[in-house]
Amino acid sequence: DVKVTQSSRYLVKRTGEKVFLECVQDMDHENMFWYRQDPGLGLRLIYFSYDVKMKEKGDIPEGYSVSREKKERFSLILESASTNQTSMYLCASRDKNTGELFFGEGSRLTVL
Amino acid sequence: AQTVTQSQPEMSVQEAETVTLSCTYDTSESNYYLFWYKQPPSRQMILVIRQEAYKQQNATENRFSVNFQKAAKSFSLKISDSQLGDTAMYFCAFIRGTSYGKLTFGQGTILTVHP
Repeated sequence: DVKVTQSSRYLVKRTGEKVFLECVQDMDHENMFWYRQDPGLGLRLIYFSYDVKMKEKGDIPEGYSVSREKKERFSLILESASTNQTSMYLCASRDKNTGELFFGEGSRLTVL
Repeated sequence: AQTVTQSQPEMSVQEAETVTLSCTYDTSESNYYLFWYKQPPSRQMILVIRQEAYKQQNATENRFSVNFQKAAKSFSLKISDSQLGDTAMYFCAFIRGTSYGKLTFGQGTILTVHP
């Protein structure tokens, strides 16, 4: 089975802190994604990566950056966390033959 | 840009009954895929069912089936014989039929199955 693992299920950070959210997949997928999930807004794409060292902005990239140094790992970085970044963050990797996304369990971030 | 709309924020159904969740989308593409994902409370998002736009036949997966109306750009999910374990948030999603397309999600529908 495909496995997508997110490093932290729950995090509490203070305003201005730098935050790293890590995601690892074990199916050799080229495409990886970071989404943000908020009530009433569904899932919104922050960044995605076609392949190693490649990245593309999604619909809401402001305040975020990403890193893809290895194929299996895709990191989301909040350079200076703000309270409006309190949210559930979902990482996914994609089977490019079927289009299906495989999701991690999510990281719930609270910024105080 | 593609958009996906789920007009029902919440739905409820009695156990063993049938429920239909609605989804519409807007695209100028002719080649694409549509998905329904399920997110149980505090659990991982998983794929329920997938439909290729070029296939006229509606996809089915056990108790789950879709009504795909390409001209109307409608993609509804029917759950038959609802079970308590079907209680979840359901998301409709769209992706262009290319290797590098991004998945666009609807707002989600919370489904509650009552005993």
